[in-house]
Amino acid sequence: QKEVEQNSGPLSVPEGAIASLNCTYSDRGSQSFFWYRQYSGKSPELIMSIYSNGDKEDGRFTAQLNKASQYVSLLIRDSQPSDSATYLCAVNRGGADGLTFGKGTHLIIQP
Amino acid sequence: EAGVVQSPRYKIIEKKQPVAFWCNPISGHNTLYWYLQNLGQGPELLIRYENEEAVDDSQLPKDRFSAERLKGVDSTLKIQPAELGDSAVYLCASSSTGELFFGEGSRLTVL
Repeated sequence: QKEVEQNSGPLSVPEGAIASLNCTYSDRGSQSFFWYRQYSGKSPELIMSIYSNGDKEDGRFTAQLNKASQYVSLLIRDSQPSDSATYLCAVNRGGADGLTFGKGTHLIIQP
Repeated sequence: EAGVVQSPRYKIIEKKQPVAFWCNPISGHNTLYWYLQNLGQGPELLIRYENEEAVDDSQLPKDRFSAERLKGVDSTLKIQPAELGDSAVYLCASSSTGELFFGEGSRLTVL
């Protein structure tokens, strides 16, 4: 059974600091990895995708992937109160395969 | 470009009643997904369509749930009869590259 594990939090981070969100997955055949942000009462919004080992940076966001350790992380630099949301990690075996989601980590950025 | 459109946004019904949700994907997206999201949980895949073909419906409770995607564009998800445990948000997503984009969801409350 494919599983994606995340710490549900809440993870509280001071404004301006780096928020670090972690995710592990069980399916070694996973090829594609995604981070979604979900505000309360809203639908998930794609913020990052990563497909190969290493780091991928997009603005204040950096996704990190280590397939050997089956580990994905998301770093948010210079955290802002507007970053307060639930962050969902999702994986699949590639292509149009359905995503398997974790339960999400609730992030709170304290002003 | 218009995003994924879902309706209705909210639906309240009594148990044993039928309910239907409609989804219009992003133009040109051949893959369409229906997900279910319970409070505090990540989305769970119900069914995936490639054009008009359901290619993964292994998680769809077929005794009461049905779906269709006529002409490979719009899709409808139906529940008949609804049970109390069906109260959740039903999310539609579409994709052309493997990155999923979600609609705003349909929140179902079964009384």
